[in-house]
Amino acid sequence: KAGVTQTPRYLIKTRGQQVTLSCSPISGHRSVSWYQQTPGQGLQFLFEYFSETQRNKGNFPGRFSGRQFSNSRSEMNVSTLELGDSALYLCASRPSTGVAYEQYFGPGTRLTVT
Amino acid sequence: AQSVTQPDIHITVSEGASLELRCNYSYGATPYLFWYVQSPGQGLQLLLKYFSGDTLVQGIKGFEAEFKRSQSSFNLRKPSVHWSDAAEYFCAVGARGTYKYIFGTGTRLKVLA
Repeated sequence: KAGVTQTPRYLIKTRGQQVTLSCSPISGHRSVSWYQQTPGQGLQFLFEYFSETQRNKGNFPGRFSGRQFSNSRSEMNVSTLELGDSALYLCASRPSTGVAYEQYFGPGTRLTVT
Repeated sequence: AQSVTQPDIHITVSEGASLELRCNYSYGATPYLFWYVQSPGQGLQLLLKYFSGDTLVQGIKGFEAEFKRSQSSFNLRKPSVHWSDAAEYFCAVGARGTYKYIFGTGTRLKVLA
């Protein structure tokens, strides 16, 4: 079974621009979560989507948004980029039944804001 | 509030030596506990997990962890470290009822040949 895939793997944007990151979960997984990883703040939860609905949200400004499609693929959008948004953005998927608390992470998208 | 503490930012061990990485958590009930490993430039790989039952759990790559409720700890151990174990290790707590993980700040492991 293919793992979680994230595109693009690397991205360079300019302050003030917006960016969209994509995540395809493991086949059959309906939940997708997003995390931001920075050297200063570590790994922080952004939000979780399940069946196209946002179920949990972390403490991030409204510039960070997401959505999930009917095929469970998810996108994350950051508007009006700031230098502090430079980070590794990780997506994770989990099964709906059984070990539903076990998350599987993708390789991440490295975003650099200049 | 839930929190996870990994008190060791860096640990250096010699190849073949034993390893213990510490993790303490703060949570009102029995949490779900995880250890993940991250190699440079990579995502997180699940090493092992604790949900309930036997407090000593076995994971991949020869790792094990022990849940100690009285100490609010979930330390990761390996009897003999290999050079390929050099990476960053993260402990995480998953709150029951939500699917949000709280991560520790990580422990970077260096292995000396």
